[in-house]
Amino acid sequence: QSVLTQPPSASATPGQRVTISCSGSSSNIGRNTVKWYQQLPGTAPKLLIYTNDQRPSGVPDRFSGSKSGTSASLAISGLQSEDEADYHCATWDDSLNGAVFGGGTKVTVL
Amino acid sequence: QVQLVQSGAEVKQPGASVKVSCKPSGYTFTSYYMNWVRQAPGQGLEWMGVINPSGGSTNYPQKFQGRVTMTSDTSTSTVYMELSSLRSEDTAFYYCTRSYSSNTAIFEHWGQGTLVTVSS
Repeated sequence: QSVLTQPPSASATPGQRVTISCSGSSSNIGRNTVKWYQQLPGTAPKLLIYTNDQRPSGVPDRFSGSKSGTSASLAISGLQSEDEADYHCATWDDSLNGAVFGGGTKVTVL
Repeated sequence: QVQLVQSGAEVKQPGASVKVSCKPSGYTFTSYYMNWVRQAPGQGLEWMGVINPSGGSTNYPQKFQGRVTMTSDTSTSTVYMELSSLRSEDTAFYYCTRSYSSNTAIFEHWGQGTLVTVSS
């Protein structure tokens, strides 16, 4: 059971927008910034969003992140077939004194 | 460019130990922390702890304390993660991943992963 809660799956047709939620608590998301990782099939995770809404160089602006209170979300607009992957949220937990992840959300492009 | 190269797949019996290596390149070995994250088949990511290659200080989550040991060898610029008393639930991909501090979840660079299978 992961510390952060994500829906197991999400789907949309090409060109549409899909949003993934990530729910935590006051000791993790409530106090620290949220990161998102994209994991393509058979590969290692890749940093997609850091500090709630910042994109590393090379990440398309179709990907956006936000945070409010103890929850965060990742939005993918203009969905493309190459976006089909698992998406994981992460943050630091001050009570556990460690990094914590969500269970991951599998995005399917219909 | 930054690369993290891990050792190959392992098959271990229950109760045994496994030691996975991670050799980074493309940056100064002692300037960044190294974390280990694992992923069981079909499951999410799980943080196993972090080591400062400069000095060797570590931080492990309670779940793994007493069972995991992370070490670094500055002479070969290699980091190691050893997990003991293996059980079937430890079957997973194990990744090393670099961070700029010991208390962050920003992992910019990842190794390719090492599959550890625990089976009798």
